[in-house]
Amino acid sequence: DTGVSQNPRHKITKRGQNVTFRCDPISEHNRLYWYRQTLGQGPEFLTYFQNEAQLEKSRLLSDRFSAERPKGSFSTLEIQRTEQGDSAMYLCASSYTQGTLETQYFGPGTRLLVL
Amino acid sequence: GENVEQHPSTLSVQEGDSAVIKCTYSDSASNYFPWYKQELGKGPQLIIDIRSNVGEKKDQRIAVTLNKTAKHFSLHITETQPEDSAVYFCAAGKRISSGSARQLTFGSGTQLTVLP
Repeated sequence: DTGVSQNPRHKITKRGQNVTFRCDPISEHNRLYWYRQTLGQGPEFLTYFQNEAQLEKSRLLSDRFSAERPKGSFSTLEIQRTEQGDSAMYLCASSYTQGTLETQYFGPGTRLLVL
Repeated sequence: GENVEQHPSTLSVQEGDSAVIKCTYSDSASNYFPWYKQELGKGPQLIIDIRSNVGEKKDQRIAVTLNKTAKHFSLHITETQPEDSAVYFCAAGKRISSGSARQLTFGSGTQLTVLP
């Protein structure tokens, strides 16, 4: 399978615990995005990496959230001191560019439930 | 910031009929409009996209139209099949940073049900 992969697919945690999700983009895609999707809504942009550099962060990304892409390949998203409002699907997308054209391909997501 | 409105939220059609989903956007800086299909428990899958220098694009049973002046775009699915049943999202993309990276703002989705 050469698509975007995410692990774990599901995570249940207790309020106050830290969680970390991993995203492996499509090989050679230099851009990686994180989105959050709550039930019945479309995905919302969280942050974006060009290679290892985090170039944009949404106001949705509170200081409890941190994302890294240390070697420009896989990325991790950590949520510290989880709250019930963090329950959502966390989606990763990667993209390639042909000239000025970019297409984002999404992974299957990690569904987080905070009890 | 960008705001994308999508209608209808649910749509039921008979197999073989056409389905139309409409979206409007607010930010004139948006210049890329993809449509994604999301099945239960899966991530969104790109089905078609259109860029602001094109008014219409077709791929087999799927077509998308864009009216940049009115800031609206639509998805048309013809000869619908039961396997077309899913949630469909429109999105508007505009450049972030320098280069061609785009931040996508999504609509709230349309649950399409194709009845056999």
